[in-house]
Amino acid sequence: QKEVEQNSGPLSVPEGAIASLNCTYSDRGSQSFFWYRQYSGKSPELIMFIYSNGDKEDGRFTAQLNKASQYVSLLIRDSQPSDSATYLCAVPLTGTASKLTFGTGTRLQVTL
Amino acid sequence: EPEVTQTPSHQVTQMGQEVILRCVPISNHLYFYWYRQILGQKVEFLVSFYNNEISEKSEIFDDQFSVERPDGSNFTLKIRSTKLEDSAMYFCASSEERGYGYTFGSGTRLTVV
Repeated sequence: QKEVEQNSGPLSVPEGAIASLNCTYSDRGSQSFFWYRQYSGKSPELIMFIYSNGDKEDGRFTAQLNKASQYVSLLIRDSQPSDSATYLCAVPLTGTASKLTFGTGTRLQVTL
Repeated sequence: EPEVTQTPSHQVTQMGQEVILRCVPISNHLYFYWYRQILGQKVEFLVSFYNNEISEKSEIFDDQFSVERPDGSNFTLKIRSTKLEDSAMYFCASSEERGYGYTFGSGTRLTVV
């Protein structure tokens, strides 16, 4: 079973719409969850992290965590063409506090 | 905004040669990491480093790899005898606290020919 799983996409949304990106993880003991954005050929950039069940909002981004169902999602409101990138979910698995396990990422395309 | 600096941005080396990838983490960060990303694949953990020693390493980080913090600012990854399959983007990262989100450097693209 994959440790961190994401749909590779591409997920295509029109400009101004809400993009919803999902991630599931296998380790029930995981406590923190990170979303990174990676433009093609560039390094990952941290955009959100969440530790508690529920929603966490930061500008146009909302992270949602459901530990019982072992999924974490990222909503991007008012999507812009500049949001077109690959979004990586990353989780430190139990017993590996300093090591992040990344999903394969979901490629988001925001169309005009 | 503080950033993690990596040099060189691109390195081409012949199979069997040694390479050293260099990183300058953010100055007040205490935890340092190396990750790699083979083209089209996911970001993979190599090693974490804290208090001048390795705190965790992956199965990828075998005897051909080593890390060092030779002075107060630099953090290096050495690959002793490169193989074709070592071709990848290598990212250095640092964080202020353990388990906190990292700041990644811009990466070094290593091409082994």
